[in-house]
Amino acid sequence: NAGVTQTPKFRILKIGQSMTLQCAQDMNHNYMYWYRQDPGMGLKLIYYSVGAGITDKGEVPNGYNVSRSTTEDFPLRLELAAPSQTSVYFCASSYHDRSDGYTFGSGTRLTVV
Amino acid sequence: GENVEQHPSTLSVQEGDSAVIKCTYSDSASNYFPWYKQELGKGPQLIIDIRSNVGEKKDQRIAVTLNKTAKHFSLHITETQPEDSAVYFCAATTTYGNNRLAFGKGNQVVVIP
Repeated sequence: NAGVTQTPKFRILKIGQSMTLQCAQDMNHNYMYWYRQDPGMGLKLIYYSVGAGITDKGEVPNGYNVSRSTTEDFPLRLELAAPSQTSVYFCASSYHDRSDGYTFGSGTRLTVV
Repeated sequence: GENVEQHPSTLSVQEGDSAVIKCTYSDSASNYFPWYKQELGKGPQLIIDIRSNVGEKKDQRIAVTLNKTAKHFSLHITETQPEDSAVYFCAATTTYGNNRLAFGKGNQVVVIP
């Protein structure tokens, strides 16, 4: 099992550009999550999904969009990149009805200039 | 919603000494409390967890204790080693909603050789 795979690992965007952060898991987890991590601020939930076709907003959804067409994939879309979106982004997944905690990907470091 | 706080924000210990990190939470319905370790440039990794029906759990040099009355739980690392240097996150979840975790801001632990 690869676990949770995120691509790319690093990216520099110009203000106003768009991009998609990819996330895939091979553990047949129902739940998937996107977090951003800013220095000294811990992990903030952007969006989450409880299964294919179902997504919902987290604490800081503005400026982002997600889709969940399959159980395995949960891409995060930035439409108009802003400097405030400079951060490290983590995708995670978990089972539905077991409090097992999350399995995290290795992260995408995004810089918007 | 759940509010999780960690103390201290930074902890330096001599190699071989013990380290203790404390987390407090606000939601009395929380029933699962994991600890994650994040090494530089990597995603958080689950190291130990505890459920609300247990007061203490050990795994080799690490242990977690839970005080439900006071709504706090602590991570204990004994015989610290340089590879224990990392950021440690605590989290809490509840039976309500959808297995979401609320994370603390993280503790930087530095083990001095």
